[in-house]
Amino acid sequence: QSALTQPRSVSGSPGQSVTISCTGTSSDVGGYIYVSWYQQHPGKAPKLMIYDVSERPSGVPDRFSGSKSGNTASLTISGLQADDEADYYCCSYAGRYTFYVFGPGTKVTVL
Amino acid sequence: EVQLLESGGGLVQPGGSLRLSCAASGFTYSSFAMNWLRQAPGKGLEWVSAISGSGNGTYYAASVKGRFTISRDNSKNTLYLHMNSLRAEDTAVYYCARALVPAVKGSDFWGQGTLVTVSS
Repeated sequence: QSALTQPRSVSGSPGQSVTISCTGTSSDVGGYIYVSWYQQHPGKAPKLMIYDVSERPSGVPDRFSGSKSGNTASLTISGLQADDEADYYCCSYAGRYTFYVFGPGTKVTVL
Repeated sequence: EVQLLESGGGLVQPGGSLRLSCAASGFTYSSFAMNWLRQAPGKGLEWVSAISGSGNGTYYAASVKGRFTISRDNSKNTLYLHMNSLRAEDTAVYYCARALVPAVKGSDFWGQGTLVTVSS
C-alpha cells in the first residue's frame, strides 16, 4: 500500500492536456516543497520530470508542469505526445525517518 | 555525462545475502548523496536507503532496517548495498540514483537497475 494516492490511469488524445493528482498528508506532500515526479517507460529506469513541486530539470519540455495545493500535488502534461505514454510516479520527502514516499503510479495513455 | 551502472543482482535463497554495487561516473561522486530504490515486479517505486556524500550519514526504510547496509567508497566512485536475511518480498529491480542537492529534493539520475530474485 503506497503512502501517496494517485489515479490508476488517465488518458488523452494527442495535443490535449492531462493532469495527474497525488494526494498525501501534512506529514509529506502538505508539509514540504519537496515533491518530485518521475516518468517511467516500460523496462526503463525512472526519469526525473519535476522537483520542488514545479521545477523542471534541464532538458524536460515545458509541456510538463507541477503544482501543489494543501496535501495534493499535481502534474499536468500539455500538448500530449505519443512518447508521453508512460507510468508517472509522484514522490514526497516525508521527514528524516521515512525519507521518501511514493505514489502507486499513474499510467498515461495517449489515445 | 552522468552514468550509474548497477551490478550484483541474481537469484538468492530466502535468508541469504547479496551485495549490490553501483559504479558512478561523469560527476564529482563525493559531492552527492546517493540513494537505493527498488521496484517489485509489476509494482511501484520504493525508497530503500540513502547515504550522504561523505558516507557519514545513512538512512533506511523501515522494511529493510537492520537487514540492509548502505556504504560507499569515494576513492572508487562506487556505491554498495549489502543485503542480509533476504525475504521473498525483497524481490525487485534495485536502482541506484544520484540525489539532488539537498538530498531531500529527490533523485535526478538513475541507473538501469539490477534484478534481485529471492526464491528457493
